[in-house]
Parts: sequence; C-alpha cells; structure tokens
Amino acid sequence: EAGVVQSPRYKIIEKKQPVAFWCNPISGHNTLYWYLQNLGQGPELLIRYENEEAVDDSQLPKDRFSAERLKGVDSTLKIQPAELGDSAVYLCASSHRGDTQYFGPGTRLTVL
Amino acid sequence: GENVEQHPSTLSVQEGDSAVIKCTYSDSASNYFPWYKQELGKRPQLIIDIRSNVGEKKDQRIAVTLNKTAKHFSLHITETQPEDSAVYFCAAFQNGANNLFFGTGTRLTVIP
Repeated sequence: EAGVVQSPRYKIIEKKQPVAFWCNPISGHNTLYWYLQNLGQGPELLIRYENEEAVDDSQLPKDRFSAERLKGVDSTLKIQPAELGDSAVYLCASSHRGDTQYFGPGTRLTVL
Repeated sequence: GENVEQHPSTLSVQEGDSAVIKCTYSDSASNYFPWYKQELGKRPQLIIDIRSNVGEKKDQRIAVTLNKTAKHFSLHITETQPEDSAVYFCAAFQNGANNLFFGTGTRLTVIP
C-alpha cells in the first residue's frame, strides 16, 4: 500500500512569492490534515478535511494561506505571499478512523 | 484545547540500556495516544499507540503505559540500538476537537 505522497520535497522561494504544496493521501482515507512543523518542534495542525469539507481551519492564517480538496482525495496548500517566518516543514497526514494518522515526507520550505 | 507536555527534551543512553520518555496531557476526554519516531529529514513514523481502555501495550522492544487518573503516558524502549536514535513525539487525540495534539519532542541518542 502506498503511503502519503507529497510534492515537492523541497522549495526555495523569495519572500512575497506564492508557493503551493500538494498531497495525495493513502487510498481510502477520508480525513486529510495539513501540519506545520518548525525546527525542533512537534507538528501543529493547520487544517483538517473530512472528504472535501474543511472541518477545522481555526489555525490556518487565512490572510495568506489557503487550501483545497476539491474531490475529497488529493489536496493543495497555498501561501500567497510567503513571508520569511513561513520557512518550515509542511506535513500532510491522512487517516481512515480519524485518530490513527499517517504522515507524508513533508515539504521543506525556505523563504529567502 | 489539549496541552501535551513531554520530557525530557534530550536523552542519551548507552547501547543496550533502556530509555523512557514521559508525557502528560490536560484533557481527560483525550482517548488515543500515539508515539511517532522522526529521523532527520524524514516523516514522523507511527511506532506504537494506546487507547484509553488499555493500561499497557507492548511491541517487541517498545512498550507504552497509560495512567488515565494521572493523565500521563510513557514510552519505554528496552535494549536500545543506535538505529533507535531519533526524535520521538507523543500525541494525544482530543475527542471533542477530533485532532491530535503533539508534545515538543525528545531527541534520543543511543551511544554505541
């Protein structure tokens, strides 16, 4: 069984540029999560999807961050415009039961 | 929301010795407690989990204990090996929010 797939693995951009991350969850997993992981810290939830519905986006900075999961399968997280402080690893995870979560490899974003 | 505290932040042990990492949580409604291992530059990998109806669970050299009354849970690794070196994260699934809340991580170093 394929795991959670994310791309790109690494992204370097200049500040004020837009950036997008893509995630394909494990087949059959209806719950998808986007997390932010700063260096030396645990993952912090940005948004959770149940199928195509964003059921918890309370921690998503909506002035610059957006996400979509149009068909309830893969998802895209976007930042526009990026700021220096957005440099981090963006992790995607998926779940079938709603608690046991499996993570993708993450996208390491560097904003210069 | 849920608050998860994890100790110690760093832990060094000699190969073959045991390692113990402890976490506490604040919300008595939390009912699922996974542990993740994250090697440098890689995804968090689920290594063991425990649900609130169980006090202890073991998988080969890894065990987890849960004390619901005291609201703490621990990871025990016996006969440590150099490949156990990584950052370990505990997490608590808060039933109301339906989200995982992570500890700040423990960097384990196993000295050959």
